[in-house]
Amino acid sequence: AQSVTQLDSQVPVFEEAPVELRCNYSSSVSVYLFWYVQYPNQGLQLLLKYLSGSTLVKGINGFEAEFNKSQTSFHLRKPSVHISDTAEYFCAVSVWGGSYIPTFGRGTSLIVHP
Amino acid sequence: DVKVTQSSRYLVKRTGEKVFLECVQDMDHENMFWYRQDPGLGLRLIYFSYDVKMKEKGDIPEGYSVSREKKERFSLILESASTNQTSMYLCASSLEGTGYTFGSGTRLTVV
Repeated sequence: AQSVTQLDSQVPVFEEAPVELRCNYSSSVSVYLFWYVQYPNQGLQLLLKYLSGSTLVKGINGFEAEFNKSQTSFHLRKPSVHISDTAEYFCAVSVWGGSYIPTFGRGTSLIVHP
Repeated sequence: DVKVTQSSRYLVKRTGEKVFLECVQDMDHENMFWYRQDPGLGLRLIYFSYDVKMKEKGDIPEGYSVSREKKERFSLILESASTNQTSMYLCASSLEGTGYTFGSGTRLTVV
């Protein structure tokens, strides 16, 4: 079975600073990887996903993530954050050809200060 | 874009009531999921379905049941609501494992 660890439960950062949200996974087979964002009292919205191909994936709102197979990581980055990026971020993994049930991390709360 | 619609954003129910949470998707997705989300616990899978009339238990099915009579609709049923079922409930659908589309969520309060 696969698992996902988000290493930071909360990340405070100042506006216009860069940010990295860390995600590590474990799986014995090949995986698909996802980052979702959740604004207060809303559902989850897909930021970006890695299915295959280039290990650097670009998503919406200026976010990008890099798949590192050797380190089993999929860290999310943004070079300059805005107040509006304040939200909960979830990393998720599903297995190639498996039951397609995604496993989610516990989430990282990104707090952007003015 | 795929749309997943949850019928209620906020619900308040009394202990012991039977509660129905409805979820409809409009893109012919095979797989549908129900999660509950609680602070510090992340998303926990209650039930999922990979076809009409098919259902599988997730990690925390106790106290819940589901119904999928049509491909586009997946209902979560709380047989007898209890206060520990106060939570945010999220429905999602996917075609295969390549992406999941979520509804806006239903915040259920059981009093």
